[in-house]
Amino acid sequence: NAGVTQTPKFRVLKTGQSMTLLCAQDMNHEYMYWYRQDPGMGLRLIHYSVGEGTTAKGEVPDGYNVSRLKKQNFLLGLESAAPSQTSVYFCASSPGQEGDTQYFGPGTRLTVL
Amino acid sequence: GNSVTQMEGPVTLSEEAFLTINCTYTATGYPSLFWYVQYPGEGLQLLLKATKADDKGSNKGFEATYRKETTSFHLEKGSVQVSDSAVYFCALSAPSNYQLIWGAGTKLIIKP
Repeated sequence: NAGVTQTPKFRVLKTGQSMTLLCAQDMNHEYMYWYRQDPGMGLRLIHYSVGEGTTAKGEVPDGYNVSRLKKQNFLLGLESAAPSQTSVYFCASSPGQEGDTQYFGPGTRLTVL
Repeated sequence: GNSVTQMEGPVTLSEEAFLTINCTYTATGYPSLFWYVQYPGEGLQLLLKATKADDKGSNKGFEATYRKETTSFHLEKGSVQVSDSAVYFCALSAPSNYQLIWGAGTKLIIKP
């Protein structure tokens, strides 16, 4: 049981390049989330999904797109990376009930030059 | 709207000291309350939670009591260890809402 995994662990991009971050969970959770973590700002929700084929915007969605084609996977895309997107990105999942615990992946450290 | 406020860090203590990290919240109704911990270089993991007023969550020697009257969920530990050095996040989940509202995090440094 791997829980929540994220690929890649580290990435360096140049401004304007694109990339996709992959999150996978093996707990059959309905809900999945993408956060970014910046120094002194805690966690901010980028996008989330309440089930296969659904996505919704969070607090800071601009510059990102997501897809949930399979229940176990949640992809985060950056179409044209900017230095302001330099951050640590965390994926999380939860069963989908009120008061649920969210389970986090190990994070992806992204640097945009 | 819903919000979580926790004490700013870093908090620096000596080993075996008593720890309190304050957390207060604003929410309508009865939210669920959480403490998550993030060890260096890792993702967040649940430390403890409480889902109704007066509940006490506990884990690994840490405790927090859901106080509706003071809208607080302070984290405490009687004797901290160097291995407790981490960033601690307080969070709430509002009723009928699966999203978590996060505090800014408090970095805890324990010196031997």
